[in-house]
Formats: sequence, structure tokens, C-alpha cells
Amino acid sequence: DSGVTQTPKHLITATGQRVTLRCSPRSGDLSVYWYQQSLDQGLQFLIQYYNGEERAKGNILERFSAQQFPDLHSELNLSSLELGDSALYFCASSVGTGVEGEQYFGPGTRLTVT
Amino acid sequence: AQTVTQSQPEMSVQEAETVTLSCTYDTSESDYYLFWYKQPPSRQMILVIRQEAYKQQNATENRFSVNFQKAAKSFSLKISDSQLGDAAMYFCAYYNTDKLIFGTGTRLQVFP
Repeated sequence: DSGVTQTPKHLITATGQRVTLRCSPRSGDLSVYWYQQSLDQGLQFLIQYYNGEERAKGNILERFSAQQFPDLHSELNLSSLELGDSALYFCASSVGTGVEGEQYFGPGTRLTVT
Repeated sequence: AQTVTQSQPEMSVQEAETVTLSCTYDTSESDYYLFWYKQPPSRQMILVIRQEAYKQQNATENRFSVNFQKAAKSFSLKISDSQLGDAAMYFCAYYNTDKLIFGTGTRLQVFP
């Protein structure tokens, strides 16, 4: 158990809908990262937050947004969902800004868009 | 842009034997970190081992060790005394300033 929690574990929704994925980092970790794992794109970095502020952005679509709250939990919002958004979404956390790269992953949320 | 390549989509090993998974990467940076992550059927991403680029000594974690060749930009993972529980997808990852860049993974099968 990495200490990172993600809810829900599974999510099934229809195209055009909006969902919110939630992540709680390990105790003491200030950085939260979101990754998407899909069959065709592999594991891709979406976005990083550090202590409430956006720190780095990867291949995140405009339909997706995220935020980190004062209690350091983070939410990833996915809107206008398409079939291609079906994937496993991971949250990871690290102690600092992640300068040494060591990130601990949550169990993931499996999103199925029908 | 940095890239990570794992050229072996699948590998297999007999229990108790040794197997090596390959990884190459491309970067123009001199300071960075390299990782191997394991993803078992549960889909959990588990950190196996980490290597700092400025360290010449290869990292070791119990039965897992790496062969880090900085000039060749190669970072292979050796699993000794393979166990059935080692069966999983293994991802090589590169980290420099803000994100992990993953390879496409190698599926390792372990036969009794």
C-alpha cells in the first residue's frame, strides 16, 4: 500500500458526461501528479500540483482540468467525455516538488466511457 | 524531447533463474533520475528501483539490480532468483524536472 488513495475505483459513464476523480496524497506529500494509462497512448503525464499551485502540465486536454485543495487532496475533472477517454487514471504523490522524481502511485481509477 | 524505449514487449523466465529487461533513453540533460516500476495484474504501480544519473554505482534492491550505462543511455533491470510474484508489466521511466516519462513496458512471465 503506497499510502495514496483514489476514489472511485471504477467509473462507468456515457459520452458527453462529466466526472470527477479524487486523490488523497501520502501524509506529508505536497505534490500530486495525474497520469493517464490507455492502451494506445501508454502511460502519460497529465498535470502536477504542488501545495495548491499548478506546477507542470503535460498532455492534458482542454476538456480536462484539475485542482489541489488546501488539505492537499486533488481532483481531476473530465468533461464532454469521449470513448477515447476510457483509461486508467493514476494519481501519484511526492514529498517536495518532485525534484528527485520518486513518486508513489495510488491504485488508479478505471474510467469506462460507453 | 526525452524519450524512453523498451524494445522487449514480452520476456519469460523460469522460476529461480535470472532475467534482464532492457531500457534505453534519450536526453540532452546531465542530471536526471531513472526508475523501474512494476505493474502486476492488480494494476498498482510499484516502485522497484531508482538510479541517480550522477551516481556511477549501480543501484541494487534485494533481488533487483540495474546496469546503468550513462554514455550509452542504457538502463537495464536484472531480476535474480525470479519468483512467480515477479510476473508483471515492468516500466522504465525517466525523470528530469517535472514529470515521469515512461517506456511502453515489458510483460514478464515467470514459469514454475
